[in-house]
Amino acid sequence: NAGVTQTPKFQVLKTGQSMTLQCAQDMNHEYMSWYRQDPGMGLRLIHYSVGAGITDQGEVPNGYNVSRSTTEDFPLRLLSAAPSQTSVYFCASSRTGGRTNEQFFGPGTRLTVL
Amino acid sequence: AQSVSQHNHHVILSEAASLELGCNYSYGGTVNLFWYVQYPGQHLQLLLKYFSGDPLVKGIKGFEAEFIKSKFSFNLRKPSVQWSDTAEYFCAALGQGGKLIFGQGTELSVKP
Repeated sequence: NAGVTQTPKFQVLKTGQSMTLQCAQDMNHEYMSWYRQDPGMGLRLIHYSVGAGITDQGEVPNGYNVSRSTTEDFPLRLLSAAPSQTSVYFCASSRTGGRTNEQFFGPGTRLTVL
Repeated sequence: AQSVSQHNHHVILSEAASLELGCNYSYGGTVNLFWYVQYPGQHLQLLLKYFSGDPLVKGIKGFEAEFIKSKFSFNLRKPSVQWSDTAEYFCAALGQGGKLIFGQGTELSVKP
C-alpha cells in the first residue's frame, strides 16, 4: 500500500500559468479532499469528493477546479495561478460512512506563484 | 458555523516539561475529534481520535486528550515532552458531510 501519493513535491509557477496537482490513493477510499495549509490558518478545505463523478466545494474553492473520474485519482487544477495561491497543498482520503472517518494525508505539494 | 480554535500559537518547552495544548470546538451534533501532528517537512499524521465512550483518549507516543463536553474542549496532553516532539499540532473536528474542520495549529518547540 502506497497510501496517498502527491506529485509534484515542489512547483514554481508564474502568475497566470496553469497546472494540475496530482493525487492518488490505493486504499479504495471513496472520500477524497484537497486542503491548503497557510501559516497561522491551519488547513482549509478547497474541494472534496464523496465518490467517482461527485465533487463539491469546500471553504476556499475559488481559483481551483477538480474532477473525479476514478476512485483512485483526484487532481486539483489551477487555471490561472495567482500569488495568493502560494501555499502547501495536501490531499487526503478516507472511507465514507460511519463515524470512524479517519483521513489519511499525502506528503504535500509546496507551490510558489511568482 | 462549525469551528475549531487553538489558542496557543507557539509553545516553547524544555525537555521533560509537561504539555497541554488547548482545543475548543463549536458544533452541536455528534462530536468526532482528532489531533494530528506534523513533524518538520512531513505530512500530517493522526495522534489520536475521539468518537464516543471514555472521554480520556490515549494516542501514540505517550499523548492523550480529554474530551470535556461541558467546556467544548479536547485538550492534548503529554506528561514529559522530548526534543523529538517538536512539531506542529492540529486539532480537528468532523463536520457535516465528512469534512474535517481544522484549528489554526500550535507550533511546539522543545529545547534539549
